[in-house]
Amino acid sequence: DGGITQSPKYLFRKEGQNVTLSCEQNLNHDAMYWYRQDPGQGLRLIYYSQIVNDFQKGDIAEGYSVSREKKESFPLTVTSAQKNPTAFYLCASSIPGVADTQYFGPGTRLTVL
Amino acid sequence: AQSVTQPDIHITVSEGASLELRCNYSYGATPYLFWYVQSPGQGLQLLLKYFSGDTLVQGIKGFEAEFKRSQSSFNLRKPSVHWSDAAEYFCAVVLGNTGNQFYFGTGTSLTVIP
Repeated sequence: DGGITQSPKYLFRKEGQNVTLSCEQNLNHDAMYWYRQDPGQGLRLIYYSQIVNDFQKGDIAEGYSVSREKKESFPLTVTSAQKNPTAFYLCASSIPGVADTQYFGPGTRLTVL
Repeated sequence: AQSVTQPDIHITVSEGASLELRCNYSYGATPYLFWYVQSPGQGLQLLLKYFSGDTLVQGIKGFEAEFKRSQSSFNLRKPSVHWSDAAEYFCAVVLGNTGNQFYFGTGTSLTVIP
């Protein structure tokens, strides 16, 4: 079955530690996205990538980093510079183009202890 | 500036009743419009989308939405709600001049009472 997988589903991190969230897709989509979801704030774009080896900052990129070495994978690293990292993180992918539908993974809930 | 607004944070309806979730956008031209649904702890699933043409759009799970240019609205409707429709609903827009960047509303949480 084609789809987007995110792992792990739940992640706990101590303050000051970096942590990497995985996102893999087998939809053959060129574009991939990372969103952060907080209660009452909807989804906010962290980073996106339209093609392998290229990515752009979204609205809230500070304290995060990404890489796009393979078409299928778009890992997100939450660094210690992110002051309030506890949130639900969603990965999405699409065929790049204006208003192409984004398909979402199941999400990773990150909690900082 | 807020591109998309969902005025209702939370709505409660009885099972079998009709439902309308509101979405308004602020943009000079017609944006591309989407409705997504999210079950607790899950990702988002596309319900329907509007790009152009017929302003009444049919989606999955018996949902429909109507684009009204004069009101800058794209409200989601369902004639008879089922208990399984309880979820968070997000309206999203893509502005014509920003490629494929989605702007999401803050969501409306739907509770269905038996």
